[in-house]
Amino acid sequence: DAGVIQSPRHEVTEMGQEVTLRCKPISGHDYLFWYRQTMMRGLELLIYFNNNVPIDDSGMPEDRFSAKMPNASFSTLKIQPSEPRDSAVYFCASSLLGQGGYEQYFGPGTRLTVT
Amino acid sequence: GNSVTQMEGPVTLSEEAFLTINCTYTATGYPSLFWYVQYPGEGLQLLLKATKADDKGSNKGFEATYRKETTSFHLEKGSVQVSDSAVYFCALSTSYGKLTFGQGTILTVHP
Repeated sequence: DAGVIQSPRHEVTEMGQEVTLRCKPISGHDYLFWYRQTMMRGLELLIYFNNNVPIDDSGMPEDRFSAKMPNASFSTLKIQPSEPRDSAVYFCASSLLGQGGYEQYFGPGTRLTVT
Repeated sequence: GNSVTQMEGPVTLSEEAFLTINCTYTATGYPSLFWYVQYPGEGLQLLLKATKADDKGSNKGFEATYRKETTSFHLEKGSVQVSDSAVYFCALSTSYGKLTFGQGTILTVHP
């Protein structure tokens, strides 16, 4: 398996622009997670899905952030409009219910810079 | 609620030194425990795990034992290498696949 795939790997955009991050989970996994990592706040869970349904979005910073999972093999995280404080590395992870204590597999991340 | 506390870093060691990174947790129920490692510029990778009390997880010379009585899961390695330089995260899961992470500990190993 190719593992969790994220695109793009790097994104540089100007304040006010829309940003869309993409994730392809490991085939057969039924959970998908979006995280944000910064030096100041560490690793934060933004939202997670089970069988394509959002379960907990309490970590989403504000209404500018939205996430979708239209099918089992694709998810997006959108920021509109983007702000400099959104600059971070965004990780997607997936897991399979019941597998070894809910082990999560992480993608390589998308480094977002908002200028 | 659930929480994970790791020893504050950064940790700097010489090659072949002994490593301990402390991790304690608070959780309802019976959590599974994990150590993840993040190398520079990469995502997190599972290093080892333990799913019940007294289990020992091990991988690549690293070990950690699930101690329910002390609610701890300390990471150890007998002889570190320069290539072990990374950020180490302790984590737990209870239900619904959600992980609770510690703040991470930066390890730097010098030749």
